Amino acid sequence: AQSVAQPEDQVNVAEGNPLTVKCTYSVSGNPYLFWYVQYPNRGLQFLLKYITGDNLVKGSYGFEAEFNKSQTSFHLKKPSALVSDSALYFCAVRDARRGSTLGRLYFGRGTQLTVWP
Amino acid sequence: DGGITQSPKYLFRKEGQNVTLSCEQNLNHDAMYWYRQDPGQGLRLIYYSQIVNDFQKGDIAEGYSVSREKKESFPLTVTSAQKNPTAFYLCASSMAPAEHLGVNSVYEQYFGPGTRLTVT
Repeated sequence: AQSVAQPEDQVNVAEGNPLTVKCTYSVSGNPYLFWYVQYPNRGLQFLLKYITGDNLVKGSYGFEAEFNKSQTSFHLKKPSALVSDSALYFCAVRDARRGSTLGRLYFGRGTQLTVWP
Repeated sequence: DGGITQSPKYLFRKEGQNVTLSCEQNLNHDAMYWYRQDPGQGLRLIYYSQIVNDFQKGDIAEGYSVSREKKESFPLTVTSAQKNPTAFYLCASSMAPAEHLGVNSVYEQYFGPGTRLTVT
């Protein structure tokens, strides 16, 4: 069964400091991994995805994520946080096996990131 | 929020009434999805559709129904059988994997702005 865990409900960082939002996953086959961001009362916006290849994936707004197969993790990172990065972040996984569950994603519960000035 | 529209943004209904949430996309996407979001629970999949006139139940389909008569539209009906319908509802769409062509393509989902349903 596929699942995603985001172990921190809340992450607080000072502006200018690096940030990390953690995500671990469980799939039967190889994973496809995604990060989304949600601002209050809005839909989710796609940030980045890992399909194959380089373990470090770069995405929108200066975010990047590192895939670690041995630790089944896909942590989201940014070298220097901005106040405007404050939002709810979701990690999602899909099983890479062909035909698997018709491409549906499994989402974590979300991590609220707060960046203070 | 891309080319996906959801209407209305806020919806209020009395208990016992059915209500239909609209979702339209102009992205020419094959696949469409409905999620429910509750505080602290993330997104839970209600229904999804990979092609017109076909759809599958997600994890929490009880009390909901959908139709997919047109590629661009995927309305969700919240019926009176749904015991706790008050929530934020999100529609999404994506290109469908072209697996029948032997291509294992991977596409992200694009989300609409959501509809907040309150049932009293």
